[in-house]
Parts: sequence; C-alpha cells; structure tokens
Amino acid sequence: GESVGLHLPTLSVQEGDNSIINCAYSNSASDYFIWYKQESGKGPQFIIDIRSNMDKRQGQRVTVLLNKTVKHLSLQIAATQPGDSAVYFCAETYNYGGSQGNLIFGKGTKLSVKP
Amino acid sequence: SAVISQKPSRDICQRGTSLTIQCQVDSQVTMMFWYRQQPGQSLTLIATANQGSEATYESGFVIDKFPISRPNLTFSTLTVSNMSPEDSSIYLCSVEENSNEQFFGPGTRLTVL
Repeated sequence: GESVGLHLPTLSVQEGDNSIINCAYSNSASDYFIWYKQESGKGPQFIIDIRSNMDKRQGQRVTVLLNKTVKHLSLQIAATQPGDSAVYFCAETYNYGGSQGNLIFGKGTKLSVKP
Repeated sequence: SAVISQKPSRDICQRGTSLTIQCQVDSQVTMMFWYRQQPGQSLTLIATANQGSEATYESGFVIDKFPISRPNLTFSTLTVSNMSPEDSSIYLCSVEENSNEQFFGPGTRLTVL
C-alpha cells in the first residue's frame, strides 16, 4: 500500500530556534493530514491537522504547510522548547468527513532540543 | 477531547499465552480503533472496533490472532492470542471525534519472552 515517509529521521535544535519537520506522502487521493507528537512512554498526541483544500494552517506555536504539487507536508515549531522534545509523526488519510480510520503514519522524526 | 485509558499499561508475558487489553473512554464515541507500534517504529492500524458487530481488520491482521470486542460505545478490548516474541509492541487504542480527528490512549507496552 501507499505510505507516508519522512525526509529526516532525527533533528537536533537549540532551544529558542525554530524547528521544521518534513514529511512526504505518496497517495494523491489523501485529503486530510495530521501531525502527532509522541513523548516517551505515551500515546501520540494530536497537534494540528490540515485538509487538502488548504495549504497552511496555524496553531499555537505550530504551523503546518501542505504542498500538494510535490506531495509534501511540514510542521514548523516556533521558539522550540525542551518540552517539544519527542517523536513527531505525520499521518494521512482520505475521504475526509467520512467515518473511517485508516490513518497511514509516517516513520517519525525524533526532535531533540538542546538547552 | 475524550479521555482514554488503557489497562494494563504494560505487561511481560510468556510465549503461547494470551493477553487482553482494555480501552475505556469517558464519553460515547462511534469509532474506536486499535493500532500496533513495534519497537522504534511507526503506528499500524490493526482493526476498527465496531459496536455490535465484528471488527474490521486491516490487511495482515486476523480475528483469530487479534480478537476484538466492542460491547458499547465507551469500551473495547483487544486480545493478543498465542503470543510470540514478535508480538512485543505497544498496542494503542484511539477514538475518532469531529470527523476524522483521532485521539490516542496511553498505550499498552507488551513484552513477550
């Protein structure tokens, strides 16, 4: 089946810097994308989502960008803090609005924040 | 978002035995799912837990190995049957809210010896 992948498996940033985590997806039919944060020993935590009819969505300190032309998704974290250290997963699905759960997860990027 | 709890949080089991994992949600939800996360890997959907009917399994997962119950809209169980070391993983339940937003439980860390 089609899968979501990530360009960088690990990312190390200095506290206060901005972080950018990238994700490539291959299913052009995907219409809904989610970023999750998973801290050690915990389940994935929903961060932000974006639908395919948008190319940018902002949350608190986070921004998701979607480039459908090249099937690329990114998560930007502003002023990265030690508490942001975690593994970040992108996930894709299709048939947004329909009741389905086939989220396809990327491999994950480990973000380490240096104080 | 819904508050999701899982029991047990972790377990160490012997090869050939079975373990039942419980997932409890603090509100009624239509859609519940079970995922597996193998060590150092991403999440893979096992099945959709359907209330009042048999679960819908993804390719590579079968009911005999991973029987699922969903007796009501707040509770589900996943059993890992006849376990082998390859079943060592984190098992997570999730619920869907607001049309496609999925929220996850804390996971059950299973080690099979």
